[in-house]
Amino acid sequence: SQTIHQWPATLVQPVGSPLSLECTVEGTSNPNLYWYRQAAGRGLQLLFYSIGIDQISSEVPQNLSASRPQDRQFILSSKKLLLSDSGFYLCAWTRRPSYNEQFFGPGTRLTVL
Amino acid sequence: DAKTTQPNSMESNEEEPVHLPCNHSTISGTDYIHWYRQLPSQGPEYVIHGLTSNVNNRMASLAIAEDRKSSTLILHRATLRDAAVYYCILRDRDDKIIFGKGTRLHILP
Repeated sequence: SQTIHQWPATLVQPVGSPLSLECTVEGTSNPNLYWYRQAAGRGLQLLFYSIGIDQISSEVPQNLSASRPQDRQFILSSKKLLLSDSGFYLCAWTRRPSYNEQFFGPGTRLTVL
Repeated sequence: DAKTTQPNSMESNEEEPVHLPCNHSTISGTDYIHWYRQLPSQGPEYVIHGLTSNVNNRMASLAIAEDRKSSTLILHRATLRDAAVYYCILRDRDDKIIFGKGTRLHILP
């Protein structure tokens, strides 16, 4: 069966510090991968999606970046965090084609102080 | 932008059926209708999806209008554990998936 992992589960970082959140998927190959952010009390905002290694689309211009160094690994990064980067970060995957159901990871709760 | 419209919130009594509406008037012929729900402090969970015909699974039923411009998620017998935010989204073959604000469902004991 397929599983999706995210770490860390929670993170508290000072403004201006770097960020690296990791997501891995097991039990499938060639998935579509997604990063979402959810601010407190808000809906899900799509940040990045990837249909393959080094094939990443950015949905929202900001100080975040994403990389996909391996087929089932998706990394969200920042060189300098802002207060507004606080939120609940969710990684998700789908089998292709993407009209199949989407599976979400447990999320990372990031607080920037 | 999300291509669906849902009420911000709804209430239902425990052990009664719940009908959650969703409008998607600009749906294309290849868009699938998906429903997810999100419990507090968790990632969204898949509920059900369909294309044209009504669908049933162990969690819920999905009723799709004949013109496909609207759909309804049906929880046959709501429990307190069904209290969540329910998202209706449209998914195409290679489309990025964008979630709207969803409907916050409150279950009254």
